[in-house]
Amino acid sequence: KQEVTQIPAALSVPEGENLVLNCSFTDSAIYNLQWFRQDPGKGLTSLLLIQSSQREQTSGRLNASLDKSSGRSTLYIAASQPGDSATYLCAVRMGNQFYFGTGTSLTVIP
Amino acid sequence: DTAVSQTPKYLVTQMGNDKSIKCEQNLGHDTMYWYKQDSKKFLKIMFSYNNKELIINETVPNRFSPKSPDKAHLNLHINSLELGDSAVYFCASSQDGGRARGYTFGSGTRLTVV
Repeated sequence: KQEVTQIPAALSVPEGENLVLNCSFTDSAIYNLQWFRQDPGKGLTSLLLIQSSQREQTSGRLNASLDKSSGRSTLYIAASQPGDSATYLCAVRMGNQFYFGTGTSLTVIP
Repeated sequence: DTAVSQTPKYLVTQMGNDKSIKCEQNLGHDTMYWYKQDSKKFLKIMFSYNNKELIINETVPNRFSPKSPDKAHLNLHINSLELGDSAVYFCASSQDGGRARGYTFGSGTRLTVV
C-alpha cells in the first residue's frame, strides 16, 4: 500500500529565504504527483502537477521536482513571503486514488 | 466561476442526527470524490463516482452513503452521527482520473458533532 510522508511537519523561516519541502512515497508506480496548498480553514489549492514521465514543473517562485525511482519529490519556494504561510500537501496518484501526505506547516516570518 | 462548491461550509449537529453535505462541480469533470480530513490534517478517500457510477468505496461505516444524481453532483448523507464523525469533509473532481490536470477541490465542510 502506498504511504506518503512529508518532512518536516513544520517549518519556520524568515522572509526572503529560499526553502525546500520534501515528500517521499513508498511505491514508485505512480501516475502523477500533485502539490497543494491549504490555508487555515480553507480548501486545497492546486500548485503544481508533475506527470510520472516529468522531472520538474515550475510556476512563478515555485519549482517542484520528481524522482520517481527513489520515491521523492521536492517543492522549492524561492524568496519566501509571509503570504506563503500555509500547509503544503503532496499527493500521489496510483490506480484510482490519490494518496495524501500529512503536510508541512510553513510559517514565513516578516 | 468554474469551481467545486460544497454546502454547507460549517455544520454543527447533535449526536444521532442525520445530515447531508452537497457538492457540485461545473468543470465538466467525469469523476467526483469525497475525502475526510482528520484532526491531524491527513486526507483519506471515502468514495469516488465516475459518471454516476461508484468506483471507489473505502472502508467507511455504512452510516455514510454517497448519492450522485448526475455527474456534476455528489452528495454525502450521514445517518446517526457520532462524535468521531467530526472532521472536515472535502469534495473533489477530476477529468480522466486526474491524469492530465490532477484534482480540483472544494473548500470543505467542517462538521462538528456535539
